Amino acid sequence: AQKVTQAQTEISVVEKEDVTLDCVYETRDTTYYLFWYKQPPSGELVFLIRRNSFDEQNEISGRYSWNFQKSTSSFNFTITASQVVDSAVYFCALSEDAGGTSYGKLTFGQGTILTVHP
Amino acid sequence: DGGITQSPKYLFRKEGQNVTLSCEQNLNHDAMYWYRQDPGQGLRLIYYSQIVNDFQKGDIAEGYSVSREKKESFPLTVTSAQKNPTAFYLCASSFRDRGGAFFGQGTRLTVV
Repeated sequence: AQKVTQAQTEISVVEKEDVTLDCVYETRDTTYYLFWYKQPPSGELVFLIRRNSFDEQNEISGRYSWNFQKSTSSFNFTITASQVVDSAVYFCALSEDAGGTSYGKLTFGQGTILTVHP
Repeated sequence: DGGITQSPKYLFRKEGQNVTLSCEQNLNHDAMYWYRQDPGQGLRLIYYSQIVNDFQKGDIAEGYSVSREKKESFPLTVTSAQKNPTAFYLCASSFRDRGGAFFGQGTRLTVV
């Protein structure tokens, strides 16, 4: 069975600080996909990134960066120079390949509440 | 604009009543999903459908039912058999073979 663990329940930082959200996963599959979503107070989940298990390159998108390490089964998310608008709940999620038809069948972590203070 | 529309945003139900949550998408996605979110917890999969007229149970399907008569629509019925229906319900859709799942804005159901 697959499992996603986000050990940090809540993180509080001051604006402009860098912050890293941890995600550790478990799966028996060799082909799988990892995701990060942001849930602002409005409730909608906003898709941030997808990574497949064969692509261990780190990715940077503006102030966001992701570090995928298969050796430690981790997919950590860093926000550089955080802003108040980054305050939200962030979820890490995993889907197994199942023949390439399971992109929405996700196992979620419990989420990390990020609060950025001005 | 393309997207996923869930309605209503807030829903109140009396105990013992069935209620149906609507989910419509115009993204031409093949697959659709229903998730449930309880306070302080992650999302759990209720049902999903990868093609029209076919659907599968997720991890917590008991007390729920769905239909998929059209590609664009995937309504969820919360039946009276669901013991703890008060929760936030999120609908999602995706292509079967690429991308990620995209979510609607959710329906907050409260049983009174």
